[in-house]
Amino acid sequence: QVHLVQSGAEVKKPGASVKLSCEASGYTFPNYYMHWIRQAPGQGLEWMGIITPSGGIASYAPRFQGRVTLTRDTSTSTVYMDLSNLRSDDTAIYYCVRDYVRIATPGNGIFDYWGQGTLVTVSS
Amino acid sequence: EIVLTQSPGTLSLSPGERATLSCRASQSVSSSWLAWYQQRPGQAPRLLIYGASSRATGIPDRFSGSGSATDFTLTIRRLEPEDSAVYYCQQYGSSPFTFGPGTKVDIK
Repeated sequence: QVHLVQSGAEVKKPGASVKLSCEASGYTFPNYYMHWIRQAPGQGLEWMGIITPSGGIASYAPRFQGRVTLTRDTSTSTVYMDLSNLRSDDTAIYYCVRDYVRIATPGNGIFDYWGQGTLVTVSS
Repeated sequence: EIVLTQSPGTLSLSPGERATLSCRASQSVSSSWLAWYQQRPGQAPRLLIYGASSRATGIPDRFSGSGSATDFTLTIRRLEPEDSAVYYCQQYGSSPFTFGPGTKVDIK
């Protein structure tokens, strides 16, 4: 049974940084890409980036490039999302999501297993 | 980046009816790599369809997807009250991966 357990809610001031975690279990961690997706209150879904757990290589959506960093710890099967220079419009639920396809299989980018989400509130 | 447009914005239907949701892409989606998700209030999204027409594990056959290139459709037959949700399309043919704005389905 695949489980993604995310860290708890955060409240931050504008200009600060936040680092969220997502611990995976129930499958072979290095074998599947992991993504981060966010959803502002009452709004749609926005893809932020992808990381290859085996090699730690990450790729980001252009609008987050320079502000977001994805990392992983293979010893604990945990991925992390660090978002800097927070603004009020970064207030959102942040989800870690496992890809449907195994690494090196064409067609990655299908969002299969979702964490429970972490609410980040940015307010002065 | 590929921009996805969904229509209608809201669909109000009765149990047992059929829902037809549209997703249009600003450019052709490579290999028909388009997915659909269901999001009920207060829950994370759930994968329904990938590859435009393949159902994800455990998804009932009342849900079906079709289409290619720039025009895609999600059809839900024999609507049930539990189908009340927002439905998003998403393309994974090119980075950045993008979502449509969603269609809200109300079952009255």
